[in-house]
Amino acid sequence: DAKTTQPTSMDCAEGRAANLPCNHSTISGNEYVYWYRQIHSQGPQYIIHGLKNNETNEMASLIITEDRKSSTLILPHATLRDTAVYYCIALDQTGANNLFFGTGTRLTVIP
Amino acid sequence: GAVVSQHPSWVICKSGTSVKIECRSLDFQATTMFWYRQFPKQSLMLMATSNEGSKATYEQGVEKDKFLINHASLTLSTLTVTSAHPEDSSFYICSARALGPKKPQHFGDGTRLSIL
Repeated sequence: DAKTTQPTSMDCAEGRAANLPCNHSTISGNEYVYWYRQIHSQGPQYIIHGLKNNETNEMASLIITEDRKSSTLILPHATLRDTAVYYCIALDQTGANNLFFGTGTRLTVIP
Repeated sequence: GAVVSQHPSWVICKSGTSVKIECRSLDFQATTMFWYRQFPKQSLMLMATSNEGSKATYEQGVEKDKFLINHASLTLSTLTVTSAHPEDSSFYICSARALGPKKPQHFGDGTRLSIL
């Protein structure tokens, strides 16, 4: 599975859009990009995933560049409850389907 | 939908005790469940992959005789930490993946294990 790199931390003002970048320059054609987040002392929460098209659900939007070497998770209106560590993971759906978590981005939403 | 329940949420016990943690998929069937461990201020580390009706696959460095995994049904996997010692104190998290292609994993809320 491709390695991903994310900034260590980011701040976002409450009510603003939070844009979390992820680089996955070695991603292969059959690897999806998954986003999870972990609020302190809880299990990770699934947010969204995509292959090459942009995706949107009730939680967030996922924008994947045309060359698929990077993506951005967008929380359109960040709230204090969105403060968490966000993980971007590239995963081959034809393989063992294990999720390997990197260090993620610690997002702090500021009042 | 896609709720994973993990029990207990926390446990404190004496050194040498064996502790069993349950992971249930409440509203979906999961042929595969995963067990992770997380130390303070670190990321999740995969311990083992559990397949219903077969032996678990352990990651390198994880002792299979120490961490017993049973996946007897499509909705239940258990992790037993045998003869636990203080160094086994950690946050243990399970996840389950629903049947079908491109289904994401869903996680339980974790079990905080403290061995005295």
